[in-house]
Amino acid sequence: DTEVTQTPKHLVMGMTNKKSLKCEQHMGHRAMYWYKQKAKKPPELMFVYSYEKLSINESVPSRFSPECPNSSLLNLHLHALQPEDSALYLCASSQLGQTYGYTFGSGTRLTVV
Amino acid sequence: QKEVEQDPGPLSVPEGAIVSLNCTYSNSAFQYFMWYRQYSRKGPELLMYTYSSGNKEDGRFTAQVDKSSKYISLFIRDSQPSDSATYLCAMTKNTGNQFYFGTGTSLTVIP
Repeated sequence: DTEVTQTPKHLVMGMTNKKSLKCEQHMGHRAMYWYKQKAKKPPELMFVYSYEKLSINESVPSRFSPECPNSSLLNLHLHALQPEDSALYLCASSQLGQTYGYTFGSGTRLTVV
Repeated sequence: QKEVEQDPGPLSVPEGAIVSLNCTYSNSAFQYFMWYRQYSRKGPELLMYTYSSGNKEDGRFTAQVDKSSKYISLFIRDSQPSDSATYLCAMTKNTGNQFYFGTGTSLTVIP
């Protein structure tokens, strides 16, 4: 299995809703990442998990809450989002210290109304 | 100044043309250089990876790195309509835990 699977593919949520994005990989990668990508922009790093521990938080607002329950799963819990948070949310994984790139999932397209 | 600069295009070429995509960067600590292809509404897919300066070829794709000029290129030979996508350059300093992306170049190959 050489894939990173993200669910759901599309999500529409109101500003008072609570929802979660899910990411799963079975490649034995011990680093997992959340990126946010706006239209026609590059991906922006949000969080990095190494060995299931949060190692990088790029000053992301607390309305985004990551969780790594085990080495194969990564969640992003969403609460009280704003319309400007609408974007493609990408999960990626890699071997720790791997310098030749991540494996990205197809993303969750989030719309906040 | 951004760490990585990439012309966003859009770039439109006829089928069979040679395409040249480029990025410049400012940080001489970057050691590892990658090109990703991203189709509309999909995640980026790793296309090419190069360490330090030099060339790397894979089928119709050639990646070049010139560290002295802080300039990297991706060449696509015999371009196909299926090559129509956004191409993102990316680079990292050492252990690879943080990547720096260019803004992406949108490419359309016209049949």
